[in-house]
Amino acid sequence: DTAVSQTPKYLVTQMGNDKSIKCEQNLGHDTMYWYKQDSKKFLKIMFSYNNKELIINETVPNRFSPKSPDKAHLNLHINSLELGDSAVYFCASSRESTGANEKLFFGSGTQLSVL
Amino acid sequence: DQQVKQNSPSLSVQEGRISILNCDYTNSMFDYFLWYKKYPAEGPTFLISISSIKDKNEDGRFTVFLNKSAKHLSLHIVPSQPGDSAVYFCAARISNSGYALNFGKGTSLLVTP
Repeated sequence: DTAVSQTPKYLVTQMGNDKSIKCEQNLGHDTMYWYKQDSKKFLKIMFSYNNKELIINETVPNRFSPKSPDKAHLNLHINSLELGDSAVYFCASSRESTGANEKLFFGSGTQLSVL
Repeated sequence: DQQVKQNSPSLSVQEGRISILNCDYTNSMFDYFLWYKKYPAEGPTFLISISSIKDKNEDGRFTVFLNKSAKHLSLHIVPSQPGDSAVYFCAARISNSGYALNFGKGTSLLVTP
């Protein structure tokens, strides 16, 4: 069983469209994250939710809106897609958000290409 | 403002030899460091970590060394195997801060037979 699963794996869409990426974890973790890996390969935190509550919101355009219906799911909605949104988006989870030994478990990524 | 830096984008090592991957950080508040390994089309997976109260942590073929005064850590893989070929990410965090892991941009390791 996949611990952190995200869908779709690939997403190709036109500029201006609205799209969603779904993420689910079956590890019983309290905290979930969205990371973006851009063309320069940096993995940057976008959002973090702990028990469905937003705890980290980095400087991300408000076209990006995370939604956490329960602590096992953290979906990412992106409105009015732009060329610069093309990247690989990784979902991750951890047992807690602030523990000293926090380890992240990642999904396999969603490669978003905006044309 | 990248706080975790991996200055070598790639490294090639012969099978059986030692691989040394380096990482530098700028934030002296970081107190916990991790290495992640990533294969193509997969997410990063946790490899090994070290707390700032230690200067070395070993797990099988993998050893991480931390030099706090130099704000430098390194991952040693001995002996290197072809299956170790992957991208290795260094990450750091400030415990109990509510801040997420900061990642470097990775070093691509190729272990040749």
